[in-house]
Amino acid sequence: NAGVTQTPKFRILKIGQSMTLQCAQDMNHNYMYWYRQDPGMGLKLIYYSVGAGITDKGEVPNGYNVSRSTTEDFPLRLELAAPSQTSVYFCASSHRRTSYEQYFGPGTRLTVT
Amino acid sequence: QKEVEQDPGPLSVPEGAIVSLNCTYSNSAFQYFMWYRQYSRKGPELLMYTYSSGNKEDGRFTAQVDKSSKYISLFIRDSQPSDSATYLCAMSDLAQGGSEKLVFGKGTKLTVNP
Repeated sequence: NAGVTQTPKFRILKIGQSMTLQCAQDMNHNYMYWYRQDPGMGLKLIYYSVGAGITDKGEVPNGYNVSRSTTEDFPLRLELAAPSQTSVYFCASSHRRTSYEQYFGPGTRLTVT
Repeated sequence: QKEVEQDPGPLSVPEGAIVSLNCTYSNSAFQYFMWYRQYSRKGPELLMYTYSSGNKEDGRFTAQVDKSSKYISLFIRDSQPSDSATYLCAMSDLAQGGSEKLVFGKGTKLTVNP
């Protein structure tokens, strides 16, 4: 089992560019999440999904979009990148809605300049 | 008042020391309390969880929850350099909401010096 994988590991974007952060899990988890982690700010939920075709906003969704066409994949799209989106992005998954354990990927470090 | 407060440190201790990490919270509905460990440039991983009040022990780690004071702690005995990481508390009322409602603390960075 690879668990949760994320690509790319690092990326530098110019202001106004777009990109997609990829996330995949091989644990057959229905629930998937995208977080951003800023220094000293903890983890903030961007979007989450409870299954293929179903997504919902988290605490900080502005400037991002998601889709979930399969159980395995949950890509995060950044449109018109801004310096405020410089962060480390983590994808996570969990087995059940009431699961206290989330399995995190290794993260994507994004810099927008 | 923030829902979860956690001192970001950094905390530096000598090898073998007892480490105490703490979080306070304001939402009395929280019933599930977790500690995640995050090594540098890695994703968080669940270390321990506790339901409601009380203590839970796992090897050198002990998690405590005091719901009356809205205070949770993680103790590390005989700390090792391999314990050097950022420790994030997390909590939720999973009975009322799903795991999308997990609230994380900001994390405390711990360094254990050999």
